[in-house]
Amino acid sequence: TQLLEQSPQFLSIQEGENLTVYCNSSSVFSSLQWYRQEPGEGPVLLVTVVTGGEVKKLKRLTFQFGDARKDSSLHITAAQPGDTGLYLCAGAEGRYNFNKFYFGSGTKLNVKP
Amino acid sequence: NAGVTQTPKFRVLKTGQSMTLLCAQDMNHEYMYWYRQDPGMGLRLIHYSVGEGTTAKGEVPDGYNVSRLKKQNFLLGLESAAPSQTSVYFCASSDDPHSGSSSAGELFFGEGSRLTVL
Repeated sequence: TQLLEQSPQFLSIQEGENLTVYCNSSSVFSSLQWYRQEPGEGPVLLVTVVTGGEVKKLKRLTFQFGDARKDSSLHITAAQPGDTGLYLCAGAEGRYNFNKFYFGSGTKLNVKP
Repeated sequence: NAGVTQTPKFRVLKTGQSMTLLCAQDMNHEYMYWYRQDPGMGLRLIHYSVGEGTTAKGEVPDGYNVSRLKKQNFLLGLESAAPSQTSVYFCASSDDPHSGSSSAGELFFGEGSRLTVL
């Protein structure tokens, strides 16, 4: 059983379209991170959100942490082929304990030119 | 600027054989982790360490052992490999979240080690 559920699992869109990826759990996390992974490489951190209701923007990417700190979303505006990859959310367990991160199953995004 | 280095990158084993995966980090991080990644399952935590000489179990520890004799190294061992352990293994490290560094709490991953057990 996955602690974090991501949806959709796969997404194939045309360049220029917008998309939203969701990360949901019944557990409360002290923080939540989003990573992007490209084939043959390890995941790379995009953002960390800590406060319930927090919104962070990274160029065309907007990240939101749910008010109850149980869920998060990633919105990409005007997707580009360079956004193609596997997007993973990861929740940190415990209020002060950042040691254990639980990952979602991932959303595989393909942006066609 | 090596970061996190995993060896070997690829390995094929027969059922019952043993092997060790080595992870080395040069960022002086306190915490180190071993994950496995399977299709549709994301990353699952096998074992982790909060400092030299310490180890702890993650979500899927059975069939694996680890050791952290030196701060910069974290070893993952398979004593008797099984086909169910066919996977891509990732090592990661992170700084103490209370260190005050800009990257505190961020996981830095290696490139992965692809293991096939026949």
